[in-house]
Amino acid sequence: EIVLTQSPGTLSLSPGERATLSCRASQSVSSSYLAWYQQKPGQAPRLLIYGASSRATGIPARFSGSGSGTDFTLTISRLEPEDFAVYYCQQYGSSPPYSFGQGTKLEIK
Amino acid sequence: EVQLVESGGGLVQPGGSLRLSCEASGFTVSSNYMNWVRQAPGKGLEWVSVIYSGGSTYYADSVKGRFTISRHNSKNTLYLQMNSLRAEDTAVYYCATDRDAFDIWGQGTMVIVSS
Repeated sequence: EIVLTQSPGTLSLSPGERATLSCRASQSVSSSYLAWYQQKPGQAPRLLIYGASSRATGIPARFSGSGSGTDFTLTISRLEPEDFAVYYCQQYGSSPPYSFGQGTKLEIK
Repeated sequence: EVQLVESGGGLVQPGGSLRLSCEASGFTVSSNYMNWVRQAPGKGLEWVSVIYSGGSTYYADSVKGRFTISRHNSKNTLYLQMNSLRAEDTAVYYCATDRDAFDIWGQGTMVIVSS
């Protein structure tokens, strides 16, 4: 089973700043099968990025994903007030189990 | 509109059973990979199970042998039969379809396992 470790656990930033979230895998993940999700309190997760770098439908361009192998990054170029939430990375698609990272909480500084 | 709606959650005693349903609209369940994901209170996301379009099923080790994923094609509905429930199964259970990653999620249904 692939274990995904996200860092930092909590990220404190101000609106307008740039956010960089990391996801490291215990073994190589096909870039076709790495996703990022945003979750706000009381809501279901929302897909942001799939295939490591492709934005899902309706996701603003300030969200971008990059990386390959065992190291992946989600970048939010300029934080908007609605971006403060918990973010999860996930490996999916090829062989179950489909693991999630433990999450990064992005909070307002 | 593409939508998933879960139902069937509730309070159950340890050792009991529950069946969750996930009704789809706007797309065909049997043509897609369909998943269950859960989230314990205050915790992160945990993948539970998947059923492929071809019918193959897979489970997380934590539920293997106790949970069964299935679908009813004519009702366009996904199910999760949960037996031998434990306190640690307490969570919000989401269904999600995997087209380009888990792109469509239901609103979730809460399962509480407690005496």
